[in-house]
Amino acid sequence: DTEVTQTPKHLVMGMTNKKSLKCEQHMGHRAMYWYKQKAKKPPELMFVYSYEKLSINESVPSRFSPECPNSSLLNLHLHALQPEDSALYLCASSQDTRVEETQYFGPGTRLLVL
Amino acid sequence: AQSVTQPDIHITVSEGASLELRCNYSYGATPYLFWYVQSPGQGLQLLLKYFSGDTLVQGIKGFEAEFKRSQSSFNLRKPSVHWSDAAEYFCAVGSSNTGKLIFGQGTTLQVKP
Repeated sequence: DTEVTQTPKHLVMGMTNKKSLKCEQHMGHRAMYWYKQKAKKPPELMFVYSYEKLSINESVPSRFSPECPNSSLLNLHLHALQPEDSALYLCASSQDTRVEETQYFGPGTRLLVL
Repeated sequence: AQSVTQPDIHITVSEGASLELRCNYSYGATPYLFWYVQSPGQGLQLLLKYFSGDTLVQGIKGFEAEFKRSQSSFNLRKPSVHWSDAAEYFCAVGSSNTGKLIFGQGTTLQVKP
């Protein structure tokens, strides 16, 4: 099974709300990623977790807070977002962070911030 | 700095026709190269990848790509396109230091009946 699942599929939130995105994989992968993708643009890396520790933060604003509770789960906590944060948020996982390891992507959560 | 250029923003081909999507990269050492496809409303799926060895790489769904170091290119090809191939295609180069993928801007493929 090479599936990465993400919930919810769609999310609408106000600028004062707090919400969380969830990502799950059961492939035994030890690297997990959050990407942000704006319409008609490529994915942009936000965070990388390696063995449940944050290894890369691409200077993402603190209103985005990642969490990796265990090796199968990855969360992205959202607070006080701006309308420009509206995008497709993709989660991915791979065996480890070596570049030759394939990253498997979930279908994404489409976020709209009002 | 590493970068990837996909010169064609949008390509339209007829069903059954051949396809070539262009990708040029800039990378100091031997590049790790990838092609991903993204169908509407979906995540990305890896079509193929190249690290070393045979410069002609076979992937899933009948796609292949050829690495040409002299041209800094990694073009994706398919001999006969199906309507289900309509999607967004991303070329990417990977950093061996960080494991990060750097994506090109993407090429939208439209398939005419």
